[in-house]
Amino acid sequence: NAGVTQTPKFQVLKTGQSMTLQCAQDMNHNSMYWYRQDPGMGLRLIYYSASEGTTDKGEVPNGYNVSRLNKREFSLRLESAAPSQTSVYFCASTTVNVGGTEAFFGQGTRLTVV
Amino acid sequence: AQSVAQPEDQVNVAEGNPLTVKCTYSVSGNPYLFWYVQYPNRGLQFLLKYITGDNLVKGSYGFEAEFNKSQTSFHLKKPSALVSDSALYFCAVRDMGGSQGNLIFGKGTKLSVKP
Repeated sequence: NAGVTQTPKFQVLKTGQSMTLQCAQDMNHNSMYWYRQDPGMGLRLIYYSASEGTTDKGEVPNGYNVSRLNKREFSLRLESAAPSQTSVYFCASTTVNVGGTEAFFGQGTRLTVV
Repeated sequence: AQSVAQPEDQVNVAEGNPLTVKCTYSVSGNPYLFWYVQYPNRGLQFLLKYITGDNLVKGSYGFEAEFNKSQTSFHLKKPSALVSDSALYFCAVRDMGGSQGNLIFGKGTKLSVKP
């Protein structure tokens, strides 16, 4: 049981380049999330998907787009990377039908934009 | 708006001593509260949660947390700290409103346990 798998683990981009972060979960969860982690700021929600076919903005969505490809996969795209998007990105999933179910996190993608 | 506060950026403890990592929350309605731990260059690992019932919740690696409704707190505790407990700890509350169950995180507390 792999849980939540993110690729790639590390990436360096030049300003203006684009890339897609991939996330897949094998726990049959209905909800998936993308967070970014910056020093001293905790984790902030970028986008979420409550179920297959739906996506919504979180706290810091500017500069990002997402796709919920199917129930398993939720990708995050940076169309034109900026240095301010240098961060560690985490994907998470959970079942929200029961409010007390914990979320499971991937190992993270460390992105540097130069 | 729902929020979580972790008032200490860092907590230093000697090995073998008890540890407490503080968390306070602000929610409308009944809270679903969580603690996660993050080791260097790793993802977040679930430690424990409070949903309802007993105010003292036991979790992984000997950690426990005490829910106090009157003080709106959910402090993480361990009777005897280990050097291997050194990590970043996050308190979180589940947003059951618009973000469909999103976790709202505190800024994190770095725990340092010295031999």
